[in-house]
Amino acid sequence: GDSVTQMEGPVTLSEEAFLTINCTYTATGYPSLFWYVQYPGEGLQLLLKATKADDKGSNKGFEATYRKETTSFHLEKGSVQVSDSAVYFCALSDGRRSNYQLIWGAGTKLIIKP
Amino acid sequence: KAGVTQTPRYLIKTRGQQVTLSCSPISGHRSVSWYQQTPGQGLQFLFEYFSETQRNKGNFPGRFSGRQFSNSRSEMNVSTLELGDSALYLCASSSLTSVSYNEQFFGPGTRLTVL
Repeated sequence: GDSVTQMEGPVTLSEEAFLTINCTYTATGYPSLFWYVQYPGEGLQLLLKATKADDKGSNKGFEATYRKETTSFHLEKGSVQVSDSAVYFCALSDGRRSNYQLIWGAGTKLIIKP
Repeated sequence: KAGVTQTPRYLIKTRGQQVTLSCSPISGHRSVSWYQQTPGQGLQFLFEYFSETQRNKGNFPGRFSGRQFSNSRSEMNVSTLELGDSALYLCASSSLTSVSYNEQFFGPGTRLTVL
């Protein structure tokens, strides 16, 4: 079945460093892809999404490009801040084929040190 | 537009008791999903309700149940609580206006501690 694999955390970076969190997926259809973020003590929030191949989702300085040829949706940010410390989840949704159920990665904890 | 609300935010129960958690989705959203989040197992899908019917179900024992009312509000119930049920329980709602994907909006969660 469909699945999502994320790089294991925690990922620890210094402020202003470049961030990449890898996400790859397996799907037989044409899924939409998402990154969600969970700040400490809160629920998950949608960070960005891409609904078809070569789409780039972006928000709050974060970007991810839907790469069908490599089945990837890596999250990037050019200069991270302490406030970006959170857990990041990659997910896919394949609409009616999977009855709209979201498939989740395990989450990657990001720690940014000042 | 108000977001997804969950009550209570915190609960402490003892083993063997039962608990009911409540979720009010965003107005107009008809799909409500429930998740269990623990440090060891990550985010695990419990079930999803759409128009008062359970449409998807995860791999949890029958002690975990849910329901959805005609106003789309949802409750989940856990009977005969075990220590391992201690977790953050998250509710998410979706409008399903797109046929191609499911964008979910999450509540803040209910933190359940079983002693």
